Amino acid sequence: SQTIHQWPATLVQPVGSPLSLECTVEGTSNPNLYWYRQAAGRGLQLLFYSVGIGQISSEVPQNLSASRPQDRQFILSSKKLLLSDSGFYLCAWSVQTGLWPQHFGDGTRLSIL
Amino acid sequence: DAKTTQPTSMDCAEGRAANLPCNHSTISGNEYVYWYRQIHSQGPQYIIHGLKNNETNEMASLIITEDRKSSTLILPHATLRDTAVYYCIVRVPNYGGSQGNLIFGKGTKLSVKP
Repeated sequence: SQTIHQWPATLVQPVGSPLSLECTVEGTSNPNLYWYRQAAGRGLQLLFYSVGIGQISSEVPQNLSASRPQDRQFILSSKKLLLSDSGFYLCAWSVQTGLWPQHFGDGTRLSIL
Repeated sequence: DAKTTQPTSMDCAEGRAANLPCNHSTISGNEYVYWYRQIHSQGPQYIIHGLKNNETNEMASLIITEDRKSSTLILPHATLRDTAVYYCIVRVPNYGGSQGNLIFGKGTKLSVKP
């Protein structure tokens, strides 16, 4: 069966520090991968998606970037964090075609001080 | 993707059926209805999806009206562990990239009470 892992579960970082969140998927090949952010009390906002290695599409302009160095690895990064980057970050995967739903990891709660 | 309207919150007694409504009056012919839920501090969990026929799986049933302008998610025997925010989403099938991305609204907070 397929599983998705995100780490760390929680992270506290000072303003201006770099960020690297990692997501890996097991049990499937060539998945679509997604990064979402959920601000407190709000719905999910899609940040990035990837349909293959090295292929990243950004949905909103922001202080963050994403990379996909391997088929089942998706990384969310920032060179200098802002206070507004605080939130709950979720990685998700889906089969590339058809009706298949997206499956989410357990998320990383990021607090910027 | 079409917008959806859901009640902000609902209560349900443990062991009873929970019926969660969703309005999607502007849904287009090729858009599916998906339901997810999010338990506090966890990632969203896929529940069920459908186009126009009613669907059932081990978690829930999905009833879609004939005109497809609304749907109801039914949890037949709610338990305390079903307390969560439930999201109704309509979208085209995931044919890759942005076309298949999910747009989550604020959902319905379901509280199952003993």
